[in-house]
Parts: sequence; structure tokens; C-alpha cells
Amino acid sequence: AQSVAQPEDQVNVAEGNPLTVKCTYSVSGNPYLFWYVQYPNRGLQFLLKYITGDNLVKGSYGFEAEFNKSQTSFHLKKPSALVSDSALYFCAVRDEGGYQKVTFGTGTKLQVIP
Amino acid sequence: DADVTQTPRNRITKTGKRIMLECSQTKGHDRMYWYRQDPGLGLQLIYYSFDVKDINKGEISDGYSVSRQAQAKFSLSLESAIPNQTALYFCATSDPGQGPNTGELFFGEGSRLTVL
Repeated sequence: AQSVAQPEDQVNVAEGNPLTVKCTYSVSGNPYLFWYVQYPNRGLQFLLKYITGDNLVKGSYGFEAEFNKSQTSFHLKKPSALVSDSALYFCAVRDEGGYQKVTFGTGTKLQVIP
Repeated sequence: DADVTQTPRNRITKTGKRIMLECSQTKGHDRMYWYRQDPGLGLQLIYYSFDVKDINKGEISDGYSVSRQAQAKFSLSLESAIPNQTALYFCATSDPGQGPNTGELFFGEGSRLTVL
């Protein structure tokens, strides 16, 4: 069975500092990995994805994520955090099967402190 | 207008009542999903549909039913609501995930349901 772990319930970072939100995964076959962001009282929005190719993928709002196959990780990063980045972030993994089941992590709340 | 629209956005009901949450989309996607979000649990899949005639149970389908009325419409019903179905419910759509379209999900704004 596939799974996603987000080990931190909350990450606090000062505005202007780099941020990292951690994600590790387990899936059979090649992973399709996603990050989504949820602002208060809103639905989830797609940020970025890794399917194949370059291990560093860039997404919306200046976010990027690094795929590490040996560590089965897909950490979300941003060089300089903004207060407006404060939100709930979800990592997700999808398998390659016919159903393409998507499994979400439990989410990490990012708090950027002014 | 939003690509994925959910109604109602908020609903308070009593135990035993029948509730329907509706979802419509303008993205032209065949695939539609219903998820439930509980604090600390992430998102759990209730039902999914790959086209009008294809409906499948997800991880937590007990106590729920769905109807795919058209390509653009996918409704979730709670036949007899109970308090532990109090949650935030999301509808989502996706494309089949071929070529450059790798199946990312597009979510509605959510329907907050409270069962007293």
C-alpha cells in the first residue's frame, strides 16, 4: 500500500528566511508526487509535481521541491518566505495503475512570522 | 466563476436527516472525486467516478452514496447523517493523466457539514 508521511504538524519560519516542508513517501513503481496548498476556508490548490526528469521541480509562487529517490523524499522549499505563504501544505503520491490512486499526507501548517 | 463549484458551502443538520452535497464543474474532466477532510487526518477518498457510468467506492464509503448525473455533475448523499460525519467535504476533478496532463486534482471550495 502506498503512503505519505509529513513528519511536522507545523513549521514556523521568519519572513525572508528559507523554508522547508518535509515529505517522504512509499509507493510501488515510479512515484508521481504532488504538493498542494490550502488557504483558510478554501479548497486545495495545486503547487507543483514531479513525474520524471530533473529532480528539482519548480512550481507556483516561487516554490520548488526536490525529489530524492534514495531517501524517498519530496521536500517542498522556498528560498525566502513571505507572510502570505502561511497556509496548510499537503504532499500527495499517485501510483501508475489504472485507477491512479492518490494518497495525501496529513498536512503541515506553515506559519511565516513577520 | 469557479471551475469546480460546490453547494452548499455550509450546512448544519440533525442526526438522521438526509443530506445531499452537490458538485458541478466546467473543466470538461471525466474524472470526479469526493474527499473528506478531518483535522490531522489529511484527505480521505469517499467515492470516485471516471465517467457517467463508472462509479467506485473509495477508502471510507460506508454511510455515503453518490450520483453522477452528467459529466459535469457529481453529488454526494448522506442517507442518515450521524455526528461523526461532521467534516469538510471536497469535490475534485482530474484529467486522465496522459502526456503532459499528469492527473493533478482541481478542488472545489469545500462544503462544511455539521451534524448535531
